[in-house]
Amino acid sequence: SQQGEEDPQALSIQEGENATMNCSYKTSINNLQWYRQNSGRGLVHLILIRSNEREKHSGRLRVTLDTSKKSSSLLITASRAADTASYFCATSYSGYSTLTFGKGTMLLVSP
Amino acid sequence: ETGVTQTPRHLVMGMTNKKSLKCEQHLGHNAMYWYKQSAKKPLELMFVYSLEERVENNSVPSRFSPECPNSSHLFLHLHTLQPEDSALYLCASSPASRTDYTGELFFGEGSRLTVL
Repeated sequence: SQQGEEDPQALSIQEGENATMNCSYKTSINNLQWYRQNSGRGLVHLILIRSNEREKHSGRLRVTLDTSKKSSSLLITASRAADTASYFCATSYSGYSTLTFGKGTMLLVSP
Repeated sequence: ETGVTQTPRHLVMGMTNKKSLKCEQHLGHNAMYWYKQSAKKPLELMFVYSLEERVENNSVPSRFSPECPNSSHLFLHLHTLQPEDSALYLCASSPASRTDYTGELFFGEGSRLTVL
């Protein structure tokens, strides 16, 4: 399977702490994206990072990409209860015309 | 109007029923997608439409029949479903090129389907 793998499957932290989620993938990519999904709702796009980029920021979100290790990480700083959601990475593999999603990391942020 | 609207949000149907899911996008995108999300499984791409033409069909059983009458509307017609088809069905759109559908996706809130 070409799908990315998020790690950990579940993460539980306190408000104010940082949350780090990882995504590993199999072959070369054009881009990698992170999405958030609140329970029972649709997915919301967070960040897209291209294969020639190493780091991107958006507010409290920081995404890194290490193509030599075929992995990406999503860091949420100073987490809030509202960050409770599932987070998915989606990879654009070279030679493939559509995205491949992983199974996601379920993040629980307790007040 | 929100970007991508799906109706109904919840649907319960028997195995012999015929029903349809509807998706409408107000973003001016030219590509629309149906995804299936089941518990503990990755998001599965079912169909991709670009400019009303189906460009991808990922081995989806014929009991699922998509229809794209124009670039703003996408339907998923359901008939003779099985209980294992119970899932969250997500519609998405994107401003894709004719051959590349790997950019940012804009999702609707989903239709939760239960097949009894």
